[in-house]
Amino acid sequence: DAGVIQSPRHEVTEMGQEVTLRCKPISGHNSLFWYRQTMMRGLELLIYFNNNVPIDDSGMPEDRFSAKMPNASFSTLKIQPSEPRDSAVYFCASSLGGGINSNQPQHFGDGTRLSIL
Amino acid sequence: KQEVTQIPAALSVPEGENLVLNCSFTDSAIYNLQWFRQDPGKGLTSLLLIQSSQREQTSGRLNASLDKSSGRSTLYIAASQPGDSATYLCAVPNNAGNMLTFGGGTRLMVKP
Repeated sequence: DAGVIQSPRHEVTEMGQEVTLRCKPISGHNSLFWYRQTMMRGLELLIYFNNNVPIDDSGMPEDRFSAKMPNASFSTLKIQPSEPRDSAVYFCASSLGGGINSNQPQHFGDGTRLSIL
Repeated sequence: KQEVTQIPAALSVPEGENLVLNCSFTDSAIYNLQWFRQDPGKGLTSLLLIQSSQREQTSGRLNASLDKSSGRSTLYIAASQPGDSATYLCAVPNNAGNMLTFGGGTRLMVKP
């Protein structure tokens, strides 16, 4: 079975550039989550969708960050303009069930390692 | 604000030992508690999920317990193997369903 697929695996770009991270959830899963992981702050939930609708984006750090889910099989996380402090590993996860308060496990992709110079 | 703490931050044991990883949380109004494993350069893998009404869950050599009133969970690994080497994280969603808080993780090394 194909798991959660994220692209690119690595991205290095200069500050000020637009960055787009992509995620394909597991087929049939109706909840999708974006996370950021850094040494300083650990793993943080940024935003999650249920049935393609953004439910809670209170974890999104700034207006420079935006996320979309145009259909059940694709989501993007965009940073514009990017800054060095955005450097982190960004994970996408999906699950069956209703978002955070679900007793269904989340399945994670292998992440995108983002470096902003 | 929910705070989740994992102790120890790192642990090194010889193969075959039984070990316990600890997770504590400050707000007992949780929906469930989840344990994950993370290998270097990889995403998280869900290990066990304990619903708030449950006391423990078992999967193979892993057993996780939950004591909501004291704000604690433990992950017990029996007969540890080198393949168990990874970072183990616990996470708790709040009852409102709008926040998922992770602990900082315990980095486990099992030596052959």
